[in-house]
Amino acid sequence: GDSVTQMEGPVTLSEEAFLTINCTYTATGYPSLFWYVQYPGEGLQLLLKATKADDKGSNKGFEATYRKETTSFHLEKGSVQVSDSAVYFCALNTNAGKSTFGDGTTLTVKP
Amino acid sequence: NAGVTQTPKFQVLKTGQSMTLQCAQDMNHEYMSWYRQDPGMGLRLIHYSVGAGITDQGEVPNGYNVSRSTTEDFPLRLLSAAPSQTSVYFCATGGRGTDTQYFGPGTRLTVL
Repeated sequence: GDSVTQMEGPVTLSEEAFLTINCTYTATGYPSLFWYVQYPGEGLQLLLKATKADDKGSNKGFEATYRKETTSFHLEKGSVQVSDSAVYFCALNTNAGKSTFGDGTTLTVKP
Repeated sequence: NAGVTQTPKFQVLKTGQSMTLQCAQDMNHEYMSWYRQDPGMGLRLIHYSVGAGITDQGEVPNGYNVSRSTTEDFPLRLLSAAPSQTSVYFCATGGRGTDTQYFGPGTRLTVL
């Protein structure tokens, strides 16, 4: 079956540091890949997505590139802010009815 | 345009009680899904539906029932609540032929 593996957290960074959260996947077919963000006490918000190999998704300074050869979709940001503190989930799906999620990575950014 | 709404936001049950978590959407999406989120884990799929009258099981369906009589609503029923069902429940919707899901705000359920 499909699966998503995220780097274990939590991750603690200082403001303006570089962020990488690793994500690898196993899937049959050709999934779309997603990063979601969850702020405390809230639901999931779509951060970015990519639908095919070599696509780059980007939003709010975050980027991730769909790498089919390494089955990866690592999340990066060049300079994190305190407001980026949240839980980040990598996910895949092959239709809009069901997604497979990683376990989430908690990011804390200190001033 | 409310998007995806879930009620209630919080609920406390005693073991053995039953209840229904409500999910409604006004986006005319064919696909609707229920997930649960446990501490330190990602979301796990409970049940999903690809249209009115059609439902299927996800990864963790035991102890839950669903039905889809309309496009707009997709209730999740707990038949006999157990402490292991303490979790946060999210409903999600998506359009046919698309790949993006839209999530509701969640219901936090505690079973004592």
